[in-house]
Amino acid sequence: DGGITQSPKYLFRKEGQNVTLSCEQNLNHDAMYWYRQDPGQGLRLIYYSQIVNDFQKGDIAEGYSVSREKKESFPLTVTSAQKNPTAFYLCASSTQEHNQPQHFGDGTRLSIL
Amino acid sequence: DAKTTQPNSMESNEEEPVHLPCNHSTISGTDYIHWYRQLPSQGPEYVIHGLTSNVNNRMASLAIAEDRKSSTLILHRATLRDAAVYYCILRDLERMYSGGGADGLTFGKGTHLIIQP
Repeated sequence: DGGITQSPKYLFRKEGQNVTLSCEQNLNHDAMYWYRQDPGQGLRLIYYSQIVNDFQKGDIAEGYSVSREKKESFPLTVTSAQKNPTAFYLCASSTQEHNQPQHFGDGTRLSIL
Repeated sequence: DAKTTQPNSMESNEEEPVHLPCNHSTISGTDYIHWYRQLPSQGPEYVIHGLTSNVNNRMASLAIAEDRKSSTLILHRATLRDAAVYYCILRDLERMYSGGGADGLTFGKGTHLIIQP
């Protein structure tokens, strides 16, 4: 089945440590996205990529980094500069057309030890 | 993207219709109305979208007011599996025509739908 796979489902980070969240899609979508969700809140956009080797900052990019070396992969690194990284992280993909639906993964829950 | 307003929560009984409202009084002529829902501990799921006319698909119906300042997502026969947070989101079609390409969605807090058995 085509879809988006995020791993791991749960992740724990020590203070001062960088961690990388994986997102893979086999939907042949050009565009991919990373969102952050805090308890009881809606999703907020961290980064997005419309095409391989290109990405743009979203509303809350500080303390995060991404790469887009392959069409099917869009990993997110939560750096030590992100002071409040505990959240639910969601990856999505879509075609390049602006109005098309986004398809989401099941998320990674990141916690600080 | 223009702002939307939704009730924080709604409650309904199983097997009854559910009408989820969304106000978007500052909507522009080129804004599409999208709905997504998020089940507990999962990513959001696309439900439906429309511009001016009412829309139906296998999941739901979307009723859009004539002045487009509000819309209603209709679940015709709610089941326990429909218990989720429902988000109403506006998407500017003008961005697509200007070559802006795909960009992120702007989520509010949505409506938490509770279904009673």
